[in-house]
Amino acid sequence: ILNVEQSPQSLHVQEGDSTNFTCSFPSSNFYALHWYRWETAKSPEALFVMTLNGDEKKKGRISATLNTKEGYSYLYIKGSQPEDSATYLCACSDTGRRALTFGSGTRLQVQP
Amino acid sequence: DAGITQSPRHKVTETGTPVTLRCHQTENHRYMYWYRQDPGHGLRLIHYSYGVKDTDKGEVSDGYSVSRSKTEDFLLTLESATSSQTSVYFCAISRTESGTDTQYFGPGTRLTVL
Repeated sequence: ILNVEQSPQSLHVQEGDSTNFTCSFPSSNFYALHWYRWETAKSPEALFVMTLNGDEKKKGRISATLNTKEGYSYLYIKGSQPEDSATYLCACSDTGRRALTFGSGTRLQVQP
Repeated sequence: DAGITQSPRHKVTETGTPVTLRCHQTENHRYMYWYRQDPGHGLRLIHYSYGVKDTDKGEVSDGYSVSRSKTEDFLLTLESATSSQTSVYFCAISRTESGTDTQYFGPGTRLTVL
C-alpha cells in the first residue's frame, strides 16, 4: 500500500483568489500520478494524469506539476470561482500494479 | 461518460445479511475496480479485476468478495454485512488514453447497514 498524503485537508478562499494544494507520494517504483475533482453527491472526475518528472498539465484555470524525484505534485487553481468548490483527490500507482492509492483529499470551498 | 452503471444505487439492509452490488460497463474494458468512500480516507480499494475470473485484493478486502464471470460485469458481495460496511461504493474502469491509464468512476451505490 502506497502512502499518499494531501495537504491541506481543507481550504476556504474568496472568489478570485488563486490557490494550490500538495500531494506527496513515495518516489520509489512510481508509475503515475492522478488528480481528480469530486463534487458532493457525484462521482470523481478525472482532471490530469502525469507520469514523467517535470510534467505540467493545464485545463482552463487549473494546472498541475509533478516532481517524481522528490515525490510531490502541486495542483493550482487560478482565480477561484464558487463552482470550483469540491474535494480534490490525488492518487498514485506504482510499477507493480494498475490499482490506485488515493490520498484523503483537499476540500476547497470558494466564497462568493 | 465511461458507460458504467451501478445497481442498486441505494440499499438499506440489516446486519448479517448478504448483499451483492453490481457494476456494469459497456466498453469492454479489461480492468475494473471497487472502492469505498469513507470520511477522512478518500477512496480505498477493496478488490480489482484484470480480466474474466482474474481478481486481486485491495487494501480493505476483509469481509468482501468479488466475481467477474464476464467482461462487462463485476460483482461485489458482502457475505454478512456489518455496520462498518455502511459506505458509498464506487466502481471504476481503467481506460488507456495517450498511452496512460485513467480510471473513470460509476455513479456510486449508497449502502446502509442497520
